[in-house]
Amino acid sequence: QVQVAESGGGVVQPGRSLRLSCAASGFTFSSSGMHWVRQAPGKGLEWVALISYDGNNKFYVDSVKGRFTISRDNSKNTVYLQMNSLKPEDTAVYSCARSLSSSLPDSWGQGTLVTVSS
Amino acid sequence: QSVLTQPPSVSAAPGQKVTISCSGSSSNIGNNYVSWYQQLPGTAPKLLIYDNNNRPSGIPDRFSGSKSGTSATLGITGLQTGDEADYYCGTWDSSLSAGVFGGGTKLTVL
Repeated sequence: QVQVAESGGGVVQPGRSLRLSCAASGFTFSSSGMHWVRQAPGKGLEWVALISYDGNNKFYVDSVKGRFTISRDNSKNTVYLQMNSLKPEDTAVYSCARSLSSSLPDSWGQGTLVTVSS
Repeated sequence: QSVLTQPPSVSAAPGQKVTISCSGSSSNIGNNYVSWYQQLPGTAPKLLIYDNNNRPSGIPDRFSGSKSGTSATLGITGLQTGDEADYYCGTWDSSLSAGVFGGGTKLTVL
């Protein structure tokens, strides 16, 4: 079955960087787009980024454009989220998810917590 | 402020039916597929409905989805206490070139 597992979260000071990883299995990773979605404590879901199956197309929510970069390594079945210039409002559980053909998330993992605080 | 508008909460008795609405615009719901997600307390969201009205394998037919114009609706029949959760609609917004979610609806089964 589809499985994704996120890692790399932690506590980081404002303005610093962090890289999240998401290891996928149970499906043909190299044929699937992948999303990052986040959820701040006690808040709703917020879509963050999408990368196409081949990495050639990337999309971001406005609030992270220019600061976050999504990438993937199909040889490792892994998608990444490089987060620079972090802000306190980026504090959330970050989850990755396989993409449906409709460009919406399908199966996603438990997530990794990112806390931005001084 | 979410791009998609959902009621903050709905409630109904066990065995009854409930609907959850999701309102958007022509740049999102009006021209793209809608998905619905269930998030039980302390767990990751789970896909309930995709492509407006399709259920993934393993999702009971008590859950249904529909779309009309710039609005979508999730229906749940034969409510069970185990259905208490937060429900989110999601779609692609062609103007933003981004995914968007509703603010979520908390379902209480009284």
